[in-house]
Amino acid sequence: GAVVSQHPSRVICKSGTSVKIECRSLDFQATTMFWYRQFPKQSLMLMATSNEGSKATYEQGVEKDKFLINHASLTLSTLTVTSAHPEDSSFYICSAQVGVNEQYFGPGTRLTVT
Amino acid sequence: GENVEQHPSTLSVQEGDSAVIKCTYSDSASNYFPWYKQELGKRPQLIIDIRSNVGEKKDQRIAVTLNKTAKHFSLHITETQPEDSAVYFCAAMVNDMRFGAGTRLTVKP
Repeated sequence: GAVVSQHPSRVICKSGTSVKIECRSLDFQATTMFWYRQFPKQSLMLMATSNEGSKATYEQGVEKDKFLINHASLTLSTLTVTSAHPEDSSFYICSAQVGVNEQYFGPGTRLTVT
Repeated sequence: GENVEQHPSTLSVQEGDSAVIKCTYSDSASNYFPWYKQELGKRPQLIIDIRSNVGEKKDQRIAVTLNKTAKHFSLHITETQPEDSAVYFCAAMVNDMRFGAGTRLTVKP
């Protein structure tokens, strides 16, 4: 299957700082990438859909000014958590769409805000 | 929007037995139904998927069935092995993917 990388795998930051997470499709081009958040023992919750060259589409309840998404190329999407707070601590996972429907996930980034 | 429900939340079976996980969806426009396996702290891995123009698909010990009329689909794992133990998520997709709550499968040796 398609390979998606994500960096960093783990990050600890102080409350009030910003953190950038990168999602890359390594062996294919992805016009559409998705960002999910997963709390412990819970399902994946879609945060936003990232389309190359255009603004991201955010799900209801997700603050676009807090979770900045940039999809500047066909192989890279970034999620920046701005002014992070402890409640933002979670497992953030990206996925890249292949073909019409299939999505392949990155390994995830565990964010801890102290 | 799409709402996906998944049952059961936990499932424990003896090695060699079969496991069945069921999901329902609400949006009749959904046309793609993947199943993912997620081990602790790792990414979801696509294990099988089915499209709305197909009623059943099988890949070795794993099969998925889809009933479009009733808007439900199921994952069947036969001859379960301890390494099948993980959390399984169903999903339904129109333009984006909505996940079920997950099923924690434990296969006891």
